[in-house]
Amino acid sequence: KQEVTQIPAALSVPEGENLVLNCSFTDSAIYNLQWFRQDPGKGLTSLLLIQSSQREQTSGRLNASLDKSSGRSTLYIAASQPGDSATYLCAVVRGAQKLVFGQGTRLTINP
Amino acid sequence: EAQVTQNPRYLITVTGKKLTVTCSQNMNHEYMSWYRQDPGLGLRQIYYSMNVEVTDKGDVPEGYKVSRKEKRNFPLILESPSPNQTSLYFCASSSGPHRESRVGELFFGEGSRLTVL
Repeated sequence: KQEVTQIPAALSVPEGENLVLNCSFTDSAIYNLQWFRQDPGKGLTSLLLIQSSQREQTSGRLNASLDKSSGRSTLYIAASQPGDSATYLCAVVRGAQKLVFGQGTRLTINP
Repeated sequence: EAQVTQNPRYLITVTGKKLTVTCSQNMNHEYMSWYRQDPGLGLRQIYYSMNVEVTDKGDVPEGYKVSRKEKRNFPLILESPSPNQTSLYFCASSSGPHRESRVGELFFGEGSRLTVL
């Protein structure tokens, strides 16, 4: 059974810092991995999608990497801003679009 | 504007009273799915659909039904709701795995908060 873990559960950093969020999964047979952000009371917004054949994806200040062999993905956020405060979730896609989510990292960027 | 729309956004009901949460997308996506989000348990997949008339169970399908009669709509049906179905529900859609340029990117609705008394 696929399990997805995100550490830490919560993170608070001052504005301007670069930071890394971690996601680990137990079964390397994944189709792709996706990172989302969720603002309080809102739905999820897709940030980055990494296909199983890829090693990283970049969008603006965000960079996500994938190491299937070790069952790990990281989300790197450069020059963090207060507007980046949210919960970040990773999800692995296996088989015909069955998704398993991690429990998320609640990120707070302090001005 | 590309969007996934869920209704109702908030609902309080009583045990055993059938209810339907609707989900509609305007992106012509083949894939649609339902999730519930609970504190300490995170997001868990209830059902998904790869296309019209094609549905399959996720990890927590008990107590739920779905149908996919039209491409744009994917309603979630609770035939006899119970208090353990009190949760925040999300619908999502995706272009599906066969389009290489946008494979699997998920678009979520705003959520439906359901309370069963």
